[in-house]
Amino acid sequence: EDQVTQSPEALRLQEGESSSLNCSYTVSGLRGLFWYRQDPGKGPEFLFTLYSAGEEKEKERLKATLTKKESFLHITAPKPEDSATYLCAVQPYGGATNKLIFGTGTLLAVQP
Amino acid sequence: NAGVTQTPKFQVLKTGQSMTLQCAQDMNHEYMSWYRQDPGMGLRLIHYSVGAGITDQGEVPNGYNVSRSTTEDFPLRLLSAAPSQTSVYFCASSFGKAKGQETQYFGPGTRLLVL
Repeated sequence: EDQVTQSPEALRLQEGESSSLNCSYTVSGLRGLFWYRQDPGKGPEFLFTLYSAGEEKEKERLKATLTKKESFLHITAPKPEDSATYLCAVQPYGGATNKLIFGTGTLLAVQP
Repeated sequence: NAGVTQTPKFQVLKTGQSMTLQCAQDMNHEYMSWYRQDPGMGLRLIHYSVGAGITDQGEVPNGYNVSRSTTEDFPLRLLSAAPSQTSVYFCASSFGKAKGQETQYFGPGTRLLVL
């Protein structure tokens, strides 16, 4: 069964304290892995797509990496405005490409 | 572009009532999806569409109905609301299935409370 597990469930950082969020996945074949950011009361906002092991994408203080079993979202020198829930989703091979399987997210709080 | 829009933002229903959640996109996207988000369970796919006139069931389709008569609109119908359908509903759309086109963009959500 295709599955996505994110850890930790919640993370509290001081401003400037770098860390990583983990997304472990089990899928018969990976077409793509997606990272989203979700602010309270809002819809998920797209961050990155990764397609193959070894691939990396960067945007401001965020860098996403991918291996054959997991993805990491590295946050370098975070600021309070980076506080949000970060969601990971996988798109398996086979079937329609708009069938995403989501993890439950990591709630990140960055304190000034 | 307005992107993906959803109405209403919030709705309260009584058990047994029916209603339609509206979703529209102005990006000429072929693919559209409906998800529900519940605490501790992540986003789960309800129904999806790969083009006008084509819909299919996702992971949790029971109690919901969809149709896609135009490229822009993808309404979700609750046939007879139950308290278990209390949730936040998100609509999403993507351009197509080619690499780089499959990114889904989400609407702001509809919060539904069924009493």
